[in-house]
Amino acid sequence: EPEVTQTPSHQVTQMGQEVILRCVPISNHLYFYWYRQILGQKVEFLVSFYNNEISEKSEIFDDQFSVERPDGSNFTLKIRSTKLEDSAMYFCASIVWLNTEAFFGQGTRLTVV
Amino acid sequence: GESVGLHLPTLSVQEGDNSIINCAYSNSASDYFIWYKQESGKGPQFIIDIRSNMDKRQGQRVTVLLNKTVKHLSLQIAATQPGDSAVYFCAENRYNAGNMLTFGGGTRLMVKP
Repeated sequence: EPEVTQTPSHQVTQMGQEVILRCVPISNHLYFYWYRQILGQKVEFLVSFYNNEISEKSEIFDDQFSVERPDGSNFTLKIRSTKLEDSAMYFCASIVWLNTEAFFGQGTRLTVV
Repeated sequence: GESVGLHLPTLSVQEGDNSIINCAYSNSASDYFIWYKQESGKGPQFIIDIRSNMDKRQGQRVTVLLNKTVKHLSLQIAATQPGDSAVYFCAENRYNAGNMLTFGGGTRLMVKP
């Protein structure tokens, strides 16, 4: 069964450093997303991406965040200068078309120290 | 404001019993809802969805009920098994906002053997 894959599974970084979280969405999917989940809290939307541009973003997705689809398979989330409060699980998701189920990856646990 | 929320943070049931997890939403324009299961350390896993033109939808051992009058939906799990132990989230799909998902706070289901 096709799945969304994310790497790395765990990333530890020092405050102020840049991190790039990587995702390979399901191959025939057209919409891509990043969500985050702070420990013990609900999943929060960060950004949606379609046709090589951002379609929606939340208040969390400030100038420190960026997304990119550098080739036909990868979808990345970059945090330019990490803060302690960026520590969370980051999930990538994709859907084949609007109003269809989103498939989530297993997540990247980001720990900022 | 618009929100999706859950009534109970923890539900404990005996193995073999039926489980009911509830969720309220506030955006009357919402037209698509999804239930996700999240096991520890994993990403959300799709369980079942329902569109606003339906009141009920059944899957394997799971049923989702939608009451648009009171903006409430529920997830029923029949013959609950230990493998059903997880956190369950309802999510509102916003077609007019890049198909982003707004998650509720989650209910932890604990199945006692």
